[in-house]
Amino acid sequence: NAGVTQTPKFQVLKTGQSMTLQCAQDMNHEYMSWYRQDPGMGLRLIHYSVGAGITDQGEVPNGYNVSRSTTEDFPLRLLSAAPSQTSVYFCASSYSHSYEQYFGPGTRLTVT
Amino acid sequence: GQQLNQSPQSMFIQEGEDVSMNCTSSSIFNTWLWYKQDPGEGPVLLIALYKAGELTSNGRLTAQFGITRKDSFLNISASIPSDVGIYFCAGPTTSGNTPLVFGKGTRLSVIA
Repeated sequence: NAGVTQTPKFQVLKTGQSMTLQCAQDMNHEYMSWYRQDPGMGLRLIHYSVGAGITDQGEVPNGYNVSRSTTEDFPLRLLSAAPSQTSVYFCASSYSHSYEQYFGPGTRLTVT
Repeated sequence: GQQLNQSPQSMFIQEGEDVSMNCTSSSIFNTWLWYKQDPGEGPVLLIALYKAGELTSNGRLTAQFGITRKDSFLNISASIPSDVGIYFCAGPTTSGNTPLVFGKGTRLSVIA
């Protein structure tokens, strides 16, 4: 099993550009989520999904869009990048009956 | 919303020393999770606690679920250089299949 994979590893965007951060898992986990990590702020939840076709907002959803068309994939879209979205982004997944989330390696995004 | 407060924020210790850190909340948690994040990597689950008073070990790591259900503790014995990283506590916001809330982390540095 590859576990949770994220692409790209690094990305630089200009303000106003859009892009999609990819996340995939091969563990047949129902639950998937996106976090951002900023210095001194810990991990903050952006969006999450409890299953295909179902998504919900987390603590900091503004400026981000998600969809969950399959169990395996949970892409995160930045609609119009802003410097405040410079961060490290982590995707995580778990079984629906478990709180034990598995994290991907992260995407480091810089918006100039 | 529910918040988790971790202390200390950072610590520098000598190799071989024991380490203690804690996580507190004003709300009751039914599950406590401890994660470790190595530099440049995603968080990895160390220990999960499900019952008040529970004491669980994973090698040199020991975690406890506080009796009040509002706190948890992580101890590392005989620290080694590879213990360096950020340690996060986390818990579900409510019972059932819900997102995790994370503390801001304790950054551990080990001096050889």
